[in-house]
Amino acid sequence: EVQLLESGGGLVQPGGSLRLSCVASGFTFSSYAMSWVRQAPGKGLEWVSAVSGSGGSAYYADSVKGRFTISRDNSKNTLYLQMNNLRAEDTAVYYCAKDDSWGQGALVTVSS
Amino acid sequence: DIQLTQSPSFLSASVGDRVTITCRASQGISSYLAWYQQKPGKAPKFLIYAASTLQSGVPSRFSGSGSETEFTLTISSLQPEDFATYYCQQLNSYPLTFGGGTKVEVK
Repeated sequence: EVQLLESGGGLVQPGGSLRLSCVASGFTFSSYAMSWVRQAPGKGLEWVSAVSGSGGSAYYADSVKGRFTISRDNSKNTLYLQMNNLRAEDTAVYYCAKDDSWGQGALVTVSS
Repeated sequence: DIQLTQSPSFLSASVGDRVTITCRASQGISSYLAWYQQKPGKAPKFLIYAASTLQSGVPSRFSGSGSETEFTLTISSLQPEDFATYYCQQLNSYPLTFGGGTKVEVK
């Protein structure tokens, strides 16, 4: 059974940083591209970033380009999202996603 | 970037109704489209990929069709557990994008 477990969410001040982690199990992690998708309170889904299975290619939404960095450690079956220079509009539940499976989400709140 | 426009944004329906949701892409995306169902406080559930292929375990009352710029998700006979918000997502090119969502409510 595929499992994706996010951690690292929390409250951070504007301009601050946070790193999300997603530990994967139940599939060959290195064989799959992985994504981060977020959902602001009461809003729709927004794709944030994706990384290839090898980690060699990364893609970003314009809204986070230059501030967020996606990475993965295939030896640890773990996906990361480093978020810098956070803004109030980054407040959302962040989901780790494989093509057909999603984690339960991690809440990130950016507020002073 | 490819924009996805879902319609309607809200839909009121009754149990047993046939429901159709449309997703239009701003440019051709072949069949690189997926559909998700989301219930309040839960992660989205993967329903359909490649525009029309039902994910394992998804009831056969769900179906998808379309290609290039126009796609539909149909629920043939709405069940109580189907009241939720539905999203389309294009997987043709980065940045991947979602439609704005369609909330299916009880009439």
